[in-house]
Amino acid sequence: NAGVTQTPKFQVLKTGQSMTLQCAQDMNHNSMYWYRQDPGMGLRLIYYSASEGTTDKGEVPNGYNVSRLNKREFSLRLESAAPSQTSVYFCASSDQTNEKLFFGSGTQLSVL
Amino acid sequence: GESVGLHLPTLSVQEGDNSIINCAYSNSASDYFIWYKQESGKGPQFIIDIRSNMDKRQGQRVTVLLNKTVKHLSLQIAATQPGDSAVYFCAESNAGKSTFGDGTTLTVKP
Repeated sequence: NAGVTQTPKFQVLKTGQSMTLQCAQDMNHNSMYWYRQDPGMGLRLIYYSASEGTTDKGEVPNGYNVSRLNKREFSLRLESAAPSQTSVYFCASSDQTNEKLFFGSGTQLSVL
Repeated sequence: GESVGLHLPTLSVQEGDNSIINCAYSNSASDYFIWYKQESGKGPQFIIDIRSNMDKRQGQRVTVLLNKTVKHLSLQIAATQPGDSAVYFCAESNAGKSTFGDGTTLTVKP
């Protein structure tokens, strides 16, 4: 039982490049989330998926897109990376909305 | 927008003492509150939660208190240990989304 698995763990991009962050959970959770964490700050919600087939914007969605591929997988895509997107990205899941979150170990992304 | 804030960014305590970490929230519609612990290089980990119909909940060495009148949340850690050193975040949940505060870094001195 791995919980929430994120790949890659580290990534360096040049400005304008694109990439997709992958996330998968094996807890049969309905809801999945993408957060970013900047130094000395809390986590800010980028996008979330309350259930399979639905996605909604969070607090900071600009520059990102998401896909809820199936119940297990929720990916985050940066179409044209910018230095302001340098951050640590966390994927999380919960059984339902308004329940405790289970987090992955994070992806450290640097955009040069 | 609504926000969840912590009173102190850092807290230093002696091993064996009790720790109290405070949090203020502003969204009166929030009905679920959670405390997370984040160790260096890891994702946040659930510690304890409380729903708005309660004012106190106890776990193993941890207690969460909720005061809805003044919109205040606190985490109490009994007999703090070196392994408790981490960043602690409170989060409020409303309409299926959790909003996090900026965190308090707890350092336990031996």
